[in-house]
Amino acid sequence: DAKTTQPPSMDCAEGRAANLPCNHSTISGNEYVYWYRQIHSQGPQYIIHGLKNNETNEMASLIITEDRKSSTLILPHATLRDTAVYYCIVTSDYKLSFGAGTTVTVRA
Amino acid sequence: SAVISQKPSRDICQRGTSLTIQCQVDSQVTMMFWYRQQPGQSLTLIATANQGSEATYESGFVIDKFPISRPNLTFSTLTVSNMSPEDSSIYLCSVEDMDWARGTRSREQYFGPGTRLTVT
Repeated sequence: DAKTTQPPSMDCAEGRAANLPCNHSTISGNEYVYWYRQIHSQGPQYIIHGLKNNETNEMASLIITEDRKSSTLILPHATLRDTAVYYCIVTSDYKLSFGAGTTVTVRA
Repeated sequence: SAVISQKPSRDICQRGTSLTIQCQVDSQVTMMFWYRQQPGQSLTLIATANQGSEATYESGFVIDKFPISRPNLTFSTLTVSNMSPEDSSIYLCSVEDMDWARGTRSREQYFGPGTRLTVT
């Protein structure tokens, strides 16, 4: 599986968009980009995934660069409940390898 | 999305004993997995629970220590055997189903709430 690099932490203001970057320069052609988050003391929550095209669902948008070497998760209107650790995972397999993730703190 | 429950939600156990954790899903799913999250750490995959055959373990995890059962498409158990304080962790199950309309993987894994185990 391709290795991912995420900033260890970031703050964002409530009501503003939160843009979470992820680098995956060694991604291979059949690997998907997944985003999960873990709110304190809960199990991880699936957010979104994509292969090449940008994706949007009710939770977030995923923007993947044309060369697929990086991506950005966008939370359009961050709320205090979005405070969590966000994991970017790249794999072609069922197995999810969770790294350290980005700790996102949404501030009022 | 599947709704997953785990029992127990937490337990405190003595070293040398064993604990069996149950994972129940509200619908039939193709894939079930067991993860461990040690204190302050990220999640690590223990094994894939296979229905009708032995679980597939990841490097560093063995069947004698973490026996797994999966008798049907909605239920699995993980046993933590001969426990030591190093086994104190949160144990989580996750599931992934097929996108039956497309006949492909859904690529969406859903996690249970976890079982918080403390070994004294």
